[in-house]
Amino acid sequence: KQEVTQIPAALSVPEGENLVLNCSFTDSAIYNLQWFRQDPGKGLTSLLLIQSSQREQTSGRLNASLDKSSGRSTLYIAASQPGDSATYLCAVRHQAGTALIFGKGTTLSVSS
Amino acid sequence: GAVVSQHPSWVICKSGTSVKIECRSLDFQATTMFWYRQFPKQSLMLMATSNEGSKATYEQGVEKDKFLINHASLTLSTLTVTSAHPEDSSFYICSARDGGQGVFGANVLTFGAGSRLTVL
Repeated sequence: KQEVTQIPAALSVPEGENLVLNCSFTDSAIYNLQWFRQDPGKGLTSLLLIQSSQREQTSGRLNASLDKSSGRSTLYIAASQPGDSATYLCAVRHQAGTALIFGKGTTLSVSS
Repeated sequence: GAVVSQHPSWVICKSGTSVKIECRSLDFQATTMFWYRQFPKQSLMLMATSNEGSKATYEQGVEKDKFLINHASLTLSTLTVTSAHPEDSSFYICSARDGGQGVFGANVLTFGAGSRLTVL
């Protein structure tokens, strides 16, 4: 059964720092991997989606990498801002018709 | 982009009552709907998978008689929490897969905004 682990569980940084969030998954036979942002009490905002054949995706200050063989993904946030404070969730899919399996998330706090 | 409208966004009910949550795909055919719940400070846990016109498949530990899922059309799926109790208080969120020929494709799952249920 696929398990998704995210480290660290929580992270506090001062504004302007670059940071890396880690995600690992036990079954490397994935279809794609997706990073989401969730604000307190709110739904999900999709940040980046990486297909199994891809190595990385970039959007603005965000860069996500995927090493499928080792079962790892990282989300890099450059020049962090207080508005980046949220919980970041990593999720994987096995096949096109299957559900996303989520990690427990990393709660990020960026102080000004 | 693809949109899934989920209602209600929040609901408070008395113990023993039933609550229905709706998810509608506004511009695509949601052939598959995934239902998740999220307890405070926990991640999203898959509850069940429903394909249009078929019975839902429930994850281990999820009571199918308590969480009734209906997916009778390609644009509407509902989750009914029957005889709700305080331990059912949670954030429920749906996720739809586009199974039609539209531009959004089956590659991406579209999430509703979620429904926060509080059972008194």
